[in-house]
Amino acid sequence: EDQVTQSPEALRLQEGESSSLNCSYTVSGLRGLFWYRQDPGKGPEFLFTLYSAGEEKEKERLKATLTKKESFLHITAPKPEDSATYLCAVRGFSGSRLTFGEGTQLTVNP
Amino acid sequence: DAGITQSPRHKVTETGTPVTLRCHQTENHRYMYWYRQDPGHGLRLIHYSYGVKDTDKGEVSDGYSVSRSKTEDFLLTLESATSSQTSVYFCAISESGQGAIYGYTFGSGTRLTVV
Repeated sequence: EDQVTQSPEALRLQEGESSSLNCSYTVSGLRGLFWYRQDPGKGPEFLFTLYSAGEEKEKERLKATLTKKESFLHITAPKPEDSATYLCAVRGFSGSRLTFGEGTQLTVNP
Repeated sequence: DAGITQSPRHKVTETGTPVTLRCHQTENHRYMYWYRQDPGHGLRLIHYSYGVKDTDKGEVSDGYSVSRSKTEDFLLTLESATSSQTSVYFCAISESGQGAIYGYTFGSGTRLTVV
């Protein structure tokens, strides 16, 4: 059974204070690891897909990295508009569905 | 969200009544999914569809049924609503079975309360 654990559950940062969110996973052959952003009252919004260990992807102040056991979402010099819940999900070779973590709720104070 | 609409956005219903939630897409995507999101559980797949009249169960399908008579519409029915089905329900679409690799597009959700 695929499993995803995200940490921390919640993170408060000051504007400009860089940090990282963690996504640890177990999967029977990774076909893809996904990061989503979810704002209150809205559905998740796709950010990145990572396919293999060592891969990195960037979008504005966000950079996602992947190892064989975990992924990190690095947030550089965050702004208040980066406040959201960030979800991680994996898809393994054994199934066609995504398994989601519970998310990290990020708050960036001005 | 562009291309995918869920209705209603909010609903309060009584225990034991049937409830139908609707997901409508204008993207002509083949795959459609229903998820529920609950504190402590994250997003969990209820049912999904890989084409018109082609559906399959997810991990939490008990008490739910789905139908897809047209590419653009995917209906989720709670046959006899229970308080444990109080949740936020999300519909998602993807272009292909490999579509998980390209990411799903999610709707804005339906907040359902069963009293």
